Amino acid sequence: DTAVSQTPKYLVTQMGNDKSIKCEQNLGHDTMYWYKQDSKKFLKIMFSYNNKELIINETVPNRFSPKSPDKAHLNLHINSLELGDSAVYFCASSQGRLNNNEQFFGPGTRLTVL
Amino acid sequence: DAKTTQPNSMESNEEEPVHLPCNHSTISGTDYIHWYRQLPSQGPEYVIHGLTSNVNNRMASLAIAEDRKSSTLILHRATLRDAAVYYCILRGGGADGLTFGKGTHLIIQP
Repeated sequence: DTAVSQTPKYLVTQMGNDKSIKCEQNLGHDTMYWYKQDSKKFLKIMFSYNNKELIINETVPNRFSPKSPDKAHLNLHINSLELGDSAVYFCASSQGRLNNNEQFFGPGTRLTVL
Repeated sequence: DAKTTQPNSMESNEEEPVHLPCNHSTISGTDYIHWYRQLPSQGPEYVIHGLTSNVNNRMASLAIAEDRKSSTLILHRATLRDAAVYYCILRGGGADGLTFGKGTHLIIQP
């Protein structure tokens, strides 16, 4: 059983389109995250949700809107896609927000905007 | 989260031990030292973490300097599957997201 899963694995789309990436974890965790890894391989936190509540929203454009329908899911919706949004997006989860908790990452979604 | 410094890359031979260093001279008393790794085309994977004492688990050992300003991740017997980018990350109190640096690209030679 996959602990943290993401769909789709690959997403190719045109500029200006709206797309969503889904994330599910079956670990019973209460905290979920979205990270972005750009072409230079830098990994950066975008959002953090704890018990379906937004905790962190780093300097991410408003075009990015996370949605957490329940504790096991954190989806990422992106409006008006731009070339610079091309990246690999990773979902992660942890139990709680303590600084000694480990995070479990999904396999990533490679988004290519043409 | 406080900053860490790691070598850009390291090379080792298969079945030999690997010592991956990390400097974190501005670490605060409540910062945990975490190590994650990212294999090619995969998501990051937790390796180990510690606060003050050395730690061992099935994947690796973590040796923490007495002044906590540096630490070393030890892979006791590297295999080709250990080739990855290894990230040393400090997590302070109340921290949520992980702050990834550039990490160390570990190359394992057969």
